[in-house]
Amino acid sequence: NAGVMQNPRHLVRRRGQEARLRCSPVKGHSHVYWYRQLPEEGLKFMVYLQKENIIDESGMPKERFSAEFPKEGPSILRIQQVVRGDSAAYFCASSPPNQNYGYTFGSGTRLTVV
Amino acid sequence: GENVEQHPSTLSVQEGDSAVIKCTYSDSASNYFPWYKQELGKRPQLIIDIRSNVGEKKDQRIAVTLNKTAKHFSLHITETQPEDSAVYFCAASETNQAGTALIFGKGTTLSVSS
Repeated sequence: NAGVMQNPRHLVRRRGQEARLRCSPVKGHSHVYWYRQLPEEGLKFMVYLQKENIIDESGMPKERFSAEFPKEGPSILRIQQVVRGDSAAYFCASSPPNQNYGYTFGSGTRLTVV
Repeated sequence: GENVEQHPSTLSVQEGDSAVIKCTYSDSASNYFPWYKQELGKRPQLIIDIRSNVGEKKDQRIAVTLNKTAKHFSLHITETQPEDSAVYFCAASETNQAGTALIFGKGTTLSVSS
């Protein structure tokens, strides 16, 4: 069991570029959650997805951010036209089917916008 | 939606002392309360959790207490060791509905000096 895999671990983007963050959940897990962690701050909820469905995106900024979890392949968090304020660690977590607790977190992607 | 407050933001103790971290939550429907430990540059890891039908749970040097009436829960670490130094996050969610995600507090940085 490889756990939750996130890639890349580090991502540097220039202002205005697009950032794509990938998350492969634990094998057999069907729930994926994305969180953003700013320096000296906690884990801020962004979006909760099940296969092909967005369950709760109340924490996602209204513009430039989107997420998907297709039937096949990893979950993707996409940030368009990045700005310096997007620099943060983005963590993905997954949980088993019919169970929105007992999260396993990935190692995170550290996005730096220059 | 749920709001979780965590105190203190930093805590320094001597090795062997006890450490207590407190959290309050706002949504009376929340029934699941995990605690995560995050070492510098690493992923958050679940260390203990408690459900609302239980008032206290203990695992070796770690214990968690829950007061549903007052809507607060606490993490207790006894006989602290330098390796307990990390950021600790509390969280809350309502697990009876498939559409809720964990909401985290802002974290407590625990420093244990030898």
